[in-house]
Amino acid sequence: DSGVTQTPKHLITATGQRVTLRCSPRSGDLSVYWYQQSLDQGLQFLIQYYNGEERAKGNILERFSAQQFPDLHSELNLSSLELGDSALYFCASSRSGSSDNEQFFGPGTRLTVL
Amino acid sequence: AQKITQTQPGMFVQEKEAVTLDCTYDTSDQSYGLFWYKQPSSGEMIFLIYQGSYDEQNATEGRYSLNFQKARKSANLVISASQLGDSAMYFCAMREDGTTSGTYKYIFGTGTRLKVLA
Repeated sequence: DSGVTQTPKHLITATGQRVTLRCSPRSGDLSVYWYQQSLDQGLQFLIQYYNGEERAKGNILERFSAQQFPDLHSELNLSSLELGDSALYFCASSRSGSSDNEQFFGPGTRLTVL
Repeated sequence: AQKITQTQPGMFVQEKEAVTLDCTYDTSDQSYGLFWYKQPSSGEMIFLIYQGSYDEQNATEGRYSLNFQKARKSANLVISASQLGDSAMYFCAMREDGTTSGTYKYIFGTGTRLKVLA
């Protein structure tokens, strides 16, 4: 158990809909990262938050947005969903500024868009 | 151009033998980090080992060691005494500095699927 929690574990929805994925980082971790893992794109970095502020953006679509709240949990919002958005979405956390900076991943949310 | 290259899509190893999973990287940063993660069939991602670009010694964590050759830009993972439970997908990843001081971005390779044979 990495200490990172993600809800829900599975999500099935229809095209055009909007969903919210939730992540709670490990205790003491200030950074949260979101990743998308799909069969065709592999593991893609989406976005990073550090202590409530957006710090880095990867391959995140404009239909997607995220935020990190004062209690450090984070939410990833996916809107106008398309079939291609079906993927495993991972959240990870780390202690930015530490010497090793390894990330600890949550169990993931499997999104299926029908 | 690929920043992280894992050239072995799949590998087999006999139980109790050692295996090396290859990873090469491309960056112009002086400060970067290299990671290996394991993803079993259950889907979770498990951190295995980390090597900083300024670390002179190769990182080791139990049966895992990272063969870091900076000049060749390679960061191969060595698993000693393979166990059946090592069968999984293995990802090499690199942390690069982000555009804002103190931020980072992470790039993953396409993975190597390891199968340990009894």
